[in-house]
Amino acid sequence: GAVVSQHPSRVICKSGTSVKIECRSLDFQATTMFWYRQFPKKSLMLMATSNEGSKATYEQGVEKDKFLINHASLTLSTLTVTSAHPEDSSFYICSVGNPTGNQPQHFGDGTRLSIL
Amino acid sequence: AQSVTQLGSHVSVSEGALVLLRCNYSSSVPPYLFWYVQYPNQGLQLLLKYTSAATLVKGINGFEAEFKKSETSFHLTKPSAHMSDAAEYFCAVSDKATGKLIFGQGTTLQVKP
Repeated sequence: GAVVSQHPSRVICKSGTSVKIECRSLDFQATTMFWYRQFPKKSLMLMATSNEGSKATYEQGVEKDKFLINHASLTLSTLTVTSAHPEDSSFYICSVGNPTGNQPQHFGDGTRLSIL
Repeated sequence: AQSVTQLGSHVSVSEGALVLLRCNYSSSVPPYLFWYVQYPNQGLQLLLKYTSAATLVKGINGFEAEFKKSETSFHLTKPSAHMSDAAEYFCAVSDKATGKLIFGQGTTLQVKP
């Protein structure tokens, strides 16, 4: 399966800072990537579907101006949390998938974001 | 709409005992089903998948799952629990139109010595 690298693994920053998280598909050309958010002791919540060369598709209730997604190449998608506040603190995970869902998604190791 | 329900948010077994984690799905079309494991502060690792081939699916680390259409179930089992199996387990169904995964609530597996 695809090998997915997510960076950074942990970031702590001040309120108001913008934070960029990178998700790289190391051995697979990924036209579709997914971004999830996970709260403590909870399941994964899909935030958006990242599509190479086009706009991301956001799930209902996710602020697209707050969570900027860019998928400029087949190997890299980025999630930028703009003007982050303490309530944005969470565990963010990306995955590589395919549009038909007949293959499993492969996940990065996640990014622990802490906003002070 | 597709959905997944994991019965039991917390399961505790003794080392060497049978592991049974329950998953029921709802889908109007033949589903693609997956089990993932998550260790603390890590992403998800695929254990096994069902994509309409054999109904008994074998995965990594000795886990297996059986797809039962009549019961709309895809329970995960392992004959003998190991301490290293302690983790969070997620069952998921794939939306064939979009490739999105719909996750269950997760089950925490505790393995006691």
